[in-house]
Amino acid sequence: AQSVSQHNHHVILSEAASLELGCNYSYGGTVNLFWYVQYPGQHLQLLLKYFSGDPLVKGIKGFEAEFIKSKFSFNLRKPSVQWSDTAEYFCAVKGQAGTALIFGKGTTLSVSS
Amino acid sequence: NAGVTQTPKFQVLKTGQSMTLQCAQDMNHNSMYWYRQDPGMGLRLIYYSASEGTTDKGEVPNGYNVSRLNKREFSLRLESAAPSQTSVYFCASRRTGGADDTQYFGPGTRLTVL
Repeated sequence: AQSVSQHNHHVILSEAASLELGCNYSYGGTVNLFWYVQYPGQHLQLLLKYFSGDPLVKGIKGFEAEFIKSKFSFNLRKPSVQWSDTAEYFCAVKGQAGTALIFGKGTTLSVSS
Repeated sequence: NAGVTQTPKFQVLKTGQSMTLQCAQDMNHNSMYWYRQDPGMGLRLIYYSASEGTTDKGEVPNGYNVSRLNKREFSLRLESAAPSQTSVYFCASRRTGGADDTQYFGPGTRLTVL
């Protein structure tokens, strides 16, 4: 069965610090990969996605993620976080033959100004 | 476009009561989904509908039923609510086929069962 692991449950950073959130998945076939963000009290919004091609994908608000197939990883990065990045971040995977997303348990990011 | 809409936004039920959560999308998407979100658990799939007229169980279907009323609407029903169903419920939709494989989420329904 597919599964997604997010290694960090809660990350606390100061503004301007660099961010990397880990995501590993288990699935033997071709996958589509996603990072969603949920700001406090809001619904999930798509940050970025990877379907194929360049394994380094850029999303909104300066976020990027790198797909490393050999490591089954899709880590999220941002060079310099802002207070407004405080949110919960979810990694998700979908097998190309499947229809539903499998989510990780989420990482809460707290950024202090 | 409103995207994915959900009603109600908040609901409090007593154990044993029933209710239906409504979801509608105006993006002409084929697939629709119901997830529940619990602290530390991420989002877990309850039911999904790959196309109008079909529904399938997800990871946590017990205690729920769904109806794909038409292409736009996908409702989730709790026949006899239990405290374990206290959660935030999200509906999502996706267009099957084509390049965009993204799921779009509604604003959620926060349900408390006393």
